[in-house]
Amino acid sequence: AQTVTQSQPEMSVQEAETVTLSCTYDTSESDYYLFWYKQPPSRQMILVIRQEAYKQQNATENRFSVNFQKAAKSFSLKISDSQLGDAAMYFCAYKGYGGSQGNLIFGKGTKLSVKP
Amino acid sequence: NAGVTQTPKFQVLKTGQSMTLQCAQDMNHNSMYWYRQDPGMGLRLIYYSASEGTTDKGEVPNGYNVSRLNKREFSLRLESAAPSQTSVYFCASSAAGNSYEQYFGPGTRLTVT
Repeated sequence: AQTVTQSQPEMSVQEAETVTLSCTYDTSESDYYLFWYKQPPSRQMILVIRQEAYKQQNATENRFSVNFQKAAKSFSLKISDSQLGDAAMYFCAYKGYGGSQGNLIFGKGTKLSVKP
Repeated sequence: NAGVTQTPKFQVLKTGQSMTLQCAQDMNHNSMYWYRQDPGMGLRLIYYSASEGTTDKGEVPNGYNVSRLNKREFSLRLESAAPSQTSVYFCASSAAGNSYEQYFGPGTRLTVT
C-alpha cells in the first residue's frame, strides 16, 4: 500500500523569506500524481500545485514550486517570498491510477507559521 | 457556481444517535468522496463513489454508510454515533479520469458526546 510521510509537523518562516516543506512517499507504481493542498484556519482544502510523475519538469505556480525527485520518492514544496496569508496546514497527497488506487492518500500535514 | 457544498457545518450528537451528512456538487463531476480528518492526521478516505450508482469502501468505512442519490449528491450516514466518530468530515468531488484533482467542500465538524 502507498504511504505518504511529512516529517516536519511544524515549520516557521519570516515574511518575504523562502521555506521548503518536505514530503516522501512509498509506492511500487511508475505512474501517479502528487499534490500539495493548503488548509487555512477556515478549514477549506485548497489545491496549491500538482505534479505528474511522468513529467521530469518540476511544476511551478507563481510563488509555489516543487522539487520532484522520482528515484528518491521525494516531493518537496518551496514557497518563495512568503506572505502572511501562506500560514496554514499543508498536506502532501499521492494519487495512483484507476479504481481504489486512484484515491488520494494524504500525509499528516505540516503547520506553517509566517512571522511578520 | 457553488462548487461542493456540505450541510450541516457543525453538529453535536449523543452516543447512539443517528444522522446524515449531506453533500452536493454542481460541477458535473462523476466521482465523489467522503473523508474524515482527526487532529494530527491527514484526511482518511471513508467511502467513495466513482460514478453514479456505485459506492466503495475506503480506508476507514466501519460505522458509516453512504448513498449516491444522483450525480450531484452523495450522503454519509452514521447509524449509531460513537465518540470515536468525533471528527471533521469533508466531501470532495472530481471529474472522471486519473489526472483530475479533487475539489473539497468546507467540512462538517461533528462532536459525539
